[in-house]
Amino acid sequence: DGGITQSPKYLFRKEGQNVTLSCEQNLNHDAMYWYRQDPGQGLRLIYYSQIVNDFQKGDIAEGYSVSREKKESFPLTVTSAQKNPTAFYLCASNTGTGGYQPQHFGDGTRLSIL
Amino acid sequence: SQQGEEDPQALSIQEGENATMNCSYKTSINNLQWYRQNSGRGLVHLILIRSNEREKHSGRLRVTLDTSKKSSSLLITASRAADTASYFCATDGSNSGYALNFGKGTSLLVTP
Repeated sequence: DGGITQSPKYLFRKEGQNVTLSCEQNLNHDAMYWYRQDPGQGLRLIYYSQIVNDFQKGDIAEGYSVSREKKESFPLTVTSAQKNPTAFYLCASNTGTGGYQPQHFGDGTRLSIL
Repeated sequence: SQQGEEDPQALSIQEGENATMNCSYKTSINNLQWYRQNSGRGLVHLILIRSNEREKHSGRLRVTLDTSKKSSSLLITASRAADTASYFCATDGSNSGYALNFGKGTSLLVTP
């Protein structure tokens, strides 16, 4: 079955440490997105990518970095510069063409500080 | 930037009752989407309604859109305990890359 796989499900970060969240899709989608969700809040856009080797900052990109070397993969690194990283991180994808198409989501990674 | 705002924040009903959630937004849109999120899981797309549509149905779901009032509603008929989840509206906005703007969601609890 096609879908989006996020790993790990739970991740713990020590002070001063960078951590990388994995997002892989086999839907042949061009566009991929990273969102952050805090308790009781909606989703806020961190980064998005419409095509391989290209990505753009979203509303809250500071302290995060991404890469898009393959169509299927869009990893997110939470750097030590992100002072409040505890949150639920969601990766999504869609065809990226023809307007605002429905997004398919992974099951998220919950990041906590040790 | 969050554009959609859902109302109420939380809703508790009994099985068999109908659940209505509302979404208001601020700027013009191309379409509006509703998503569902079970606890600790990702979002699942439920339904998309275009700006030139007024009502759309999908199974037990009915969505309306009033662009003059910049509002939408999601009606779940004959609710079931399995409908317990958070429901989010999402609008397109001025973002490039066709990213969506999500509201804070309505938390729905359906009790047997």
